Amino acid sequence: AQSVTQPDIHITVSEGASLELRCNYSYGATPYLFWYVQSPGQGLQLLLKYFSGDTLVQGIKGFEAEFKRSQSSFNLRKPSVHWSDAAEYFCAVGAVLGGTSYGKLTFGQGTILTVHP
Amino acid sequence: NAGVTQTPKFQVLKTGQSMTLQCAQDMNHNSMYWYRQDPGMGLRLIYYSASEGTTDKGEVPNGYNVSRLNKREFSLRLESAAPSQTSVYFCASSSRTGLYEQYFGPGTRLTVT
Repeated sequence: AQSVTQPDIHITVSEGASLELRCNYSYGATPYLFWYVQSPGQGLQLLLKYFSGDTLVQGIKGFEAEFKRSQSSFNLRKPSVHWSDAAEYFCAVGAVLGGTSYGKLTFGQGTILTVHP
Repeated sequence: NAGVTQTPKFQVLKTGQSMTLQCAQDMNHNSMYWYRQDPGMGLRLIYYSASEGTTDKGEVPNGYNVSRLNKREFSLRLESAAPSQTSVYFCASSSRTGLYEQYFGPGTRLTVT
């Protein structure tokens, strides 16, 4: 079965600093990978996705992520963090359900980002 | 477009009471999902509906039932609420099950005392 690990429960950065949030996945085939962001009291919003092709994908709000098959990783990056980026971030892997043509998402535990002024 | 809407936003139940969480989407999506979110555990899939007329269990279905009322609406029912069901519940929809991005509602915060 597929799984997703986000090793960092909580990360604190200063405004203007660079950011990298880690995500490792376990899946037997080529994964479909996603990063979602959740602001306090809100639902989840899709930041970016990887299906195939270029391993560096660009998303909204200046975020990017790089798929590294050899490391089973899909880390999220941003060169300069803004105070409004403070939120919880979730990595997810999409997988096809066995014996069907349907799939589902498995989410990591989430990383809370705090931004200091 | 409103996207995915959920009602209610907040609810407090006593142990043993029942309630139904409502979800609707206006994006003409085929697939809909119910998740629960608990601290440190991410989101866990309760039930999903790949298409109108079908529903299937996810990771944590015990204590819940669902109804796909039509293409737009997908409800989650707690027949006899337990404190372990205290959580934030999210509904989501997608144009194809799982392999494409899911769109989430704002959530329902449920407390069972």
